[in-house]
Amino acid sequence: EAGVTQFPSHSVIEKGQTVTLRCDPISGHDNLYWYRRVMGKEIKFLLHFVKESKQDESGMPNNRFLAERTGGTYSTLKVQPAELEDSGVYFCASSQDEARGRYNEQFFGPGTRLTVL
Amino acid sequence: AQSVTQLGSHVSVSEGALVLLRCNYSSSVPPYLFWYVQYPNQGLQLLLKYTSAATLVKGINDFEAEFKKSETSFHLTKPSAHMSDAAEYFCAVRPSGNTGKLIFGQGTTLQVKP
Repeated sequence: EAGVTQFPSHSVIEKGQTVTLRCDPISGHDNLYWYRRVMGKEIKFLLHFVKESKQDESGMPNNRFLAERTGGTYSTLKVQPAELEDSGVYFCASSQDEARGRYNEQFFGPGTRLTVL
Repeated sequence: AQSVTQLGSHVSVSEGALVLLRCNYSSSVPPYLFWYVQYPNQGLQLLLKYTSAATLVKGINDFEAEFKKSETSFHLTKPSAHMSDAAEYFCAVRPSGNTGKLIFGQGTTLQVKP
């Protein structure tokens, strides 16, 4: 079974540019999460999809960040325009519906390292 | 607000020595607790989890953690460190009633010396 995949693995852009990160969850996982780790800080929650719906977007920093999950499959996270403080590692995770008996084990992707210059 | 504190951003042990990584959480109601490990260039991997069953939880690779409500702690231990245990370890909490988001500590990098 394929794990959570993220693309690209690294991205270097200039301030003011736009970047789109992609996450492909494990097939059949309804829950999809985005997290971010800024250098030297803890991993912080950004938002949570259940299928194509945003369940919780309380962690999104501001309106320069736009997340979508078309059709409830893969998700994209767009940053427009990017600022220096957006640099960090963006993780995606997915999990099954808890009704199937798994206590929210989130499977993480390897992350996308974003550098804004 | 819920928070997780990992004491020590870097821990160094000798191969074969006991590993102890500390984690304290703030919560008025016992939450779900997790330890994740991240090896270089990989995603976070679940080591073990506490979900209100046994307070001593065993995970993969001989790691275990004990939930102590009175101390609001969930420290991770391993009796004997291997070189392959060198990685970054994260303690996380899922607050009760929450839909699923995890709150992480700042991470502890474990170095294992030969």
